[in-house]
Amino acid sequence: QQQVKQSPQSLIVQKGGISIINCAYENTAFDYFPWYQQFPGKGPALLIAIRPDVSEKKEGRFTISFNKSAKQFSLHIMDSQPGDSATYFCAATGGRDDKIIFGKGTRLHILP
Amino acid sequence: ETGVTQSPTHLIKTRGQQVTLRCSSQSGHNTVSWYQQALGQGPQFIFQYYREEENGRGNFPPRFSGLQFPNYSSELNVNALELDDSALYLCASSFGFNYEQYFGPGTRLTVT
Repeated sequence: QQQVKQSPQSLIVQKGGISIINCAYENTAFDYFPWYQQFPGKGPALLIAIRPDVSEKKEGRFTISFNKSAKQFSLHIMDSQPGDSATYFCAATGGRDDKIIFGKGTRLHILP
Repeated sequence: ETGVTQSPTHLIKTRGQQVTLRCSSQSGHNTVSWYQQALGQGPQFIFQYYREEENGRGNFPPRFSGLQFPNYSSELNVNALELDDSALYLCASSFGFNYEQYFGPGTRLTVT
């Protein structure tokens, strides 16, 4: 069974702090690792994604760090804001059917 | 450019009934994937359609079926509804096998 394991399940961070969410995968055939942000009542929105040929990708306050040998990747949210409060899903995919395998999600709450 | 739209927003059905959910893909996209998201969980892949043909299926029984139309919109049909089918059903569109999938807001199905 292909799996993506995500931690922590929930996270509380002070405004201005760094939020860190970690994920691990098993299938070495995965070649695309997106992160999705989901607000209550909404569908997931693509936030940032990385391929395994790079170790880090940064877009604004969001950074993905990728460790291919450890089969782990993480999302860092710098200068976290109350508007960042949402559920974050890491995911992985690879192969013709584009099936995205999602982690179970992290509920992030940023304290004002 | 219009995003992914889904209808209806909410639906209540009785166990044993049948339901049809609809999805319009983002402009320019020809691939549609369907996901089931149970409360507090990550989305799970149901199946994908590319150019009106099924192109991959997750671990869901045959009573989950789908269609894609020439305009690339899609339907998800579920027969003989069970209580465990209660979930948020998400549609995502992409261009070909581009891994960037964009999600609609979902249809919340409640089976009583």
